[in-house]
Amino acid sequence: QKEVEQDPGPLSVPEGAIVSLNCTYSNSAFQYFMWYRQYSRKGPELLMYTYSSGNKEDGRFTAQVDKSSKYISLFIRDSQPSDSATYLCAMSAALNDYKLSFGAGTTVTVRA
Amino acid sequence: KAGVTQTPRYLIKTRGQQVTLSCSPISGHRSVSWYQQTPGQGLQFLFEYFSETQRNKGNFPGRFSGRQFSNSRSEMNVSTLELGDSALYLCASSKDPGTTNEKLFFGSGTQLSVL
Repeated sequence: QKEVEQDPGPLSVPEGAIVSLNCTYSNSAFQYFMWYRQYSRKGPELLMYTYSSGNKEDGRFTAQVDKSSKYISLFIRDSQPSDSATYLCAMSAALNDYKLSFGAGTTVTVRA
Repeated sequence: KAGVTQTPRYLIKTRGQQVTLSCSPISGHRSVSWYQQTPGQGLQFLFEYFSETQRNKGNFPGRFSGRQFSNSRSEMNVSTLELGDSALYLCASSKDPGTTNEKLFFGSGTQLSVL
């Protein structure tokens, strides 16, 4: 079993819909949780970064972490065709640990 | 400010050959990490270099090696290539020291195909 599990999708939604993405993990040492967005033929770019449990909002994006359930989520409100990409969750146990554990990524298509 | 630059963008090799990939970090960044991305396994950590020293290593065979130069540029080498080594190899840089992993910036990667 992988340390971080993420449904690869694909996920297809109409423009304006809410996109809901999630990951589960098994390592209880993880404290730092990230969501990356990766466009085709590009490297991942950081979208959201959260520490421990709780919610964080940035514009149309909301990240949630539930450490008791070992479950993290990303919500995209009012989705746009430009949000079509692969979304990767990542996590680490330490603040300055660059050995991140990634999920497999979920491919999202927002239809105009 | 230029981003992380990886060369070449695409590479085709045959089994048994070896390959060297290059990464130039963002100016002023001293930490360089390498990841392998495949459709089945996602991103997997290979190794991280800081000040020319390997600071962390993932669970890959010894055929995968890397190094970092005094100007922070890094190379990774894969010897005796296998079909399963076909992947997108991503490099990421960070300013360090004391920088959080929030400040990790990825390049666009080198797509390696092994025939």
